[in-house]
Amino acid sequence: EDQVTQSPEALRLQEGESSSLNCSYTVSGLRGLFWYRQDPGKGPEFLFTLYSAGEEKEKERLKATLTKKESFLHITAPKPEDSATYLCAVQGRGSTLGRLYFGRGTQLTVWP
Amino acid sequence: GAVVSQHPSRVICKSGTSVKIECRSLDFQATTMFWYRQFPKQSLMLMATSNEGSKATYEQGVEKDKFLINHASLTLSTLTVTSAHPEDSSFYICSATIPGNTIYFGEGSWLTVV
Repeated sequence: EDQVTQSPEALRLQEGESSSLNCSYTVSGLRGLFWYRQDPGKGPEFLFTLYSAGEEKEKERLKATLTKKESFLHITAPKPEDSATYLCAVQGRGSTLGRLYFGRGTQLTVWP
Repeated sequence: GAVVSQHPSRVICKSGTSVKIECRSLDFQATTMFWYRQFPKQSLMLMATSNEGSKATYEQGVEKDKFLINHASLTLSTLTVTSAHPEDSSFYICSATIPGNTIYFGEGSWLTVV
């Protein structure tokens, strides 16, 4: 069964203090690994899709990387507006296209 | 702008009544949509796969008679919570895949059963 484990569960950073969020996964044939941002009371907002080991994608202060076992979301010089829950999800080749398995998320708080 | 839209964003209903939540794909056709449920401070749990023109596929433990899913067109899936009870109160979210395998989610619908 496809599984996703995210760590840490919660992370508090001071503004400007860079860090990384981890997503470890087990899947029978990775079709894609997805990162989303979720604000309280809102639906997940799409950030990145990674497809193969070694792939990297960037968007503003965020950079996502992928290996065969895990993905990292690097946050460089975060700002308070980056505070949110970051969700990692995988799509396996054996699953219906579009079906995702989610981790529990990392709740990020960035304080001024 | 949003590519997947949900309505209503918030709904309160009385115990024993039914409530319908709509999920629309905007500017693209979605033969498959997915319905998730999320409890406070928990992750998204897949409830069912909505298939256009055919029956939905439900995850183990999800009551198909309580959570009715209809996917009558290529841009609309509906989730009806029948005979709702307070324990059905939750955040319901739908998703759809656009060409290129990017998966977008709706804004979510808060259901409160009183």
